[in-house]
Amino acid sequence: AQTVTQSQPEMSVQEAETVTLSCTYDTSENNYYLFWYKQPPSRQMILVIRQEAYKQQNATENRFSVNFQKAAKSFSLKISDSQLGDTAMYFCAFMNGSSNTGKLIFGQGTTLQVKP
Amino acid sequence: SAVISQKPSRDICQRGTSLTIQCQVDSQVTMMFWYRQQPGQSLTLIATANQGSEATYESGFVIDKFPISRPNLTFSTLTVSNMSPEDSSIYLCSVAESMNTEAFFGQGTRLTVV
Repeated sequence: AQTVTQSQPEMSVQEAETVTLSCTYDTSENNYYLFWYKQPPSRQMILVIRQEAYKQQNATENRFSVNFQKAAKSFSLKISDSQLGDTAMYFCAFMNGSSNTGKLIFGQGTTLQVKP
Repeated sequence: SAVISQKPSRDICQRGTSLTIQCQVDSQVTMMFWYRQQPGQSLTLIATANQGSEATYESGFVIDKFPISRPNLTFSTLTVSNMSPEDSSIYLCSVAESMNTEAFFGQGTRLTVV
């Protein structure tokens, strides 16, 4: 069974600084996808970034980038130039690409507070 | 990305009653899912809503408690039956346009059972 672990329940960062959120996962699959979702107080789950396991290149979306270490089963999210609007809960998620079920397995979440 | 409308956004219900949550998507999608997020916790998949057939439930969730309908490729409902305070959670509808693509979420329904 696949598992996703986020070991940082809470993080804080000063506005304009950089912060890294950690995520590790466990799987025996080779075909899978990893995601970071953001959940602000509005409850809306927003996709931040996606990584295909077969791609060696780390995904990047504007200020958000990942450090994907496949051998170590690590998938951290780096937020550069943090903004107040980045304050939210962040979830790491795993999808088994071989099962074709589309199901997501989520980590426990990390609450990020961006301070002015 | 698909636009997902979930209703109601919140409700307060008496124990023993049932609540039906609706999820409407502005385009046809292959996959529709229902997740539960208990207070301060992560998301747990309840079931996959299958168009024209019975939903596929995850371990710990049963059809009698969480009946799901999906009459077409753009609409699904989740009913929380015979509610107890332990059912107080956020319930989220999620869709994916095809297999192995990212999932998008509705705004969630915050349910409080008193």
